[in-house]
Amino acid sequence: SAVISQKPSRDICQRGTSLTIQCQVDSQVTMMFWYRQQPGQSLTLIATANQGSEATYESGFVIDKFPISRPNLTFSTLTVSNMSPEDSSIYLCSVEKDRTGETQYFGPGTRLLVL
Amino acid sequence: AQSVTQLGSHVSVSEGALVLLRCNYSSSVPPYLFWYVQYPNQGLQLLLKYTSAATLVKGINGFEAEFKKSETSFHLTKPSAHMSDAAEYFCAVDPYGNNRLAFGKGNQVVVIP
Repeated sequence: SAVISQKPSRDICQRGTSLTIQCQVDSQVTMMFWYRQQPGQSLTLIATANQGSEATYESGFVIDKFPISRPNLTFSTLTVSNMSPEDSSIYLCSVEKDRTGETQYFGPGTRLLVL
Repeated sequence: AQSVTQLGSHVSVSEGALVLLRCNYSSSVPPYLFWYVQYPNQGLQLLLKYTSAATLVKGINGFEAEFKKSETSFHLTKPSAHMSDAAEYFCAVDPYGNNRLAFGKGNQVVVIP
């Protein structure tokens, strides 16, 4: 398995501001992912963060709104830019640990409330 | 687009009774299938996964799930519910084995003493 931590665990932000969420893994991993879990909804994949290359975004998500960094094999950040109340969600980081690509391990999530 | 359907956002079950959570998926190819559990204020924890081996998959905490291709289903069961099973359960599909998971909306399980 993998031990994943996220900072902050929760935050309350004003609209129009930006928040950067950090994800730290206890071992080197190939792929890291960012998900959003809106209230009452399922998890939705935002993007895949690969070390040494730009993140790959899913349909409906753009780099200007959710810039991602992946400076090394154990760390990634997701920024939620120019926030609005609709961005209030839980943001989760996950990693692929197994080379077979079959299992993802998830962090505890960051609970964001935008006022 | 791939989709996962979990019916009934809230599921109540008596302690000691059968837990049954239904999951149906849409996929044009045999997928990888997962059940995750999320306890309050914690991250998602993998319960079990199907990766084209045995169709009956056993996971942690006494849970198991059966892959039925003809029904495009991957229902989760546990013979006897325990109070500690109270959590939210998510079914997820990875159709192409590239880790781009599609999740269902989840089932919030409440165990009644």
